Amino acid sequence: DQQVKQNSPSLSVQEGRISILNCDYTNSMFDYFLWYKKYPAEGPTFLISISSIKDKNEDGRFTVFLNKSAKHLSLHIVPSQPGDSAVYFCAAQASNTGKLIFGQGTTLQVKP
Amino acid sequence: GAVVSQHPSRVICKSGTSVKIECRSLDFQATTMFWYRQFPKQSLMLMATSNEGSKATYEQGVEKDKFLINHASLTLSTLTVTSAHPEDSSFYICSAYSHGGYTEAFFGQGTRLTVV
Repeated sequence: DQQVKQNSPSLSVQEGRISILNCDYTNSMFDYFLWYKKYPAEGPTFLISISSIKDKNEDGRFTVFLNKSAKHLSLHIVPSQPGDSAVYFCAAQASNTGKLIFGQGTTLQVKP
Repeated sequence: GAVVSQHPSRVICKSGTSVKIECRSLDFQATTMFWYRQFPKQSLMLMATSNEGSKATYEQGVEKDKFLINHASLTLSTLTVTSAHPEDSSFYICSAYSHGGYTEAFFGQGTRLTVV
């Protein structure tokens, strides 16, 4: 039972354009969502998060949008840079437990 | 940001032996740490919650006798894979939250375990 889903295993974008990574969830108890960037054989690096009481959070080139009714969130990266190429995981947390449920990840490739 | 350090970064062991992985919070105290594992090209799966001074709580399907967790201090949690088998080969990662809340988890570098 995959509670957090990233249905696109990969995404390729031209440098300077927008990258949009999507994530869907099924558990309505999730109230906090995070995006992580990960390189092979390394731990995830935190990018940005959003609470369920908000629908948007922005930090520099990264913006996360949350649509609670659709149980969908997305990460926008603009402008995309070659250094953004990595695997991106969305994660969800319920009721302040600290436990993170991760999606399968999306591999982003930003071409120069 | 807060730093979580994991050691070793990779280890190869023989089948039947035990391996200990350490997770340290370097500049903050963590009463709770979390252990995840990741198989190749798959997601990170939560294994257990490590609680300082008390027993760890394990996720469904995770053998507590196989994956021993000890959280002896506010800055150190250890995961011991006992009687390791090749199917235990995986990438193990720990995480911790700083500042007493659950808003941003910091992850260790991960440990690549290979059982031969």
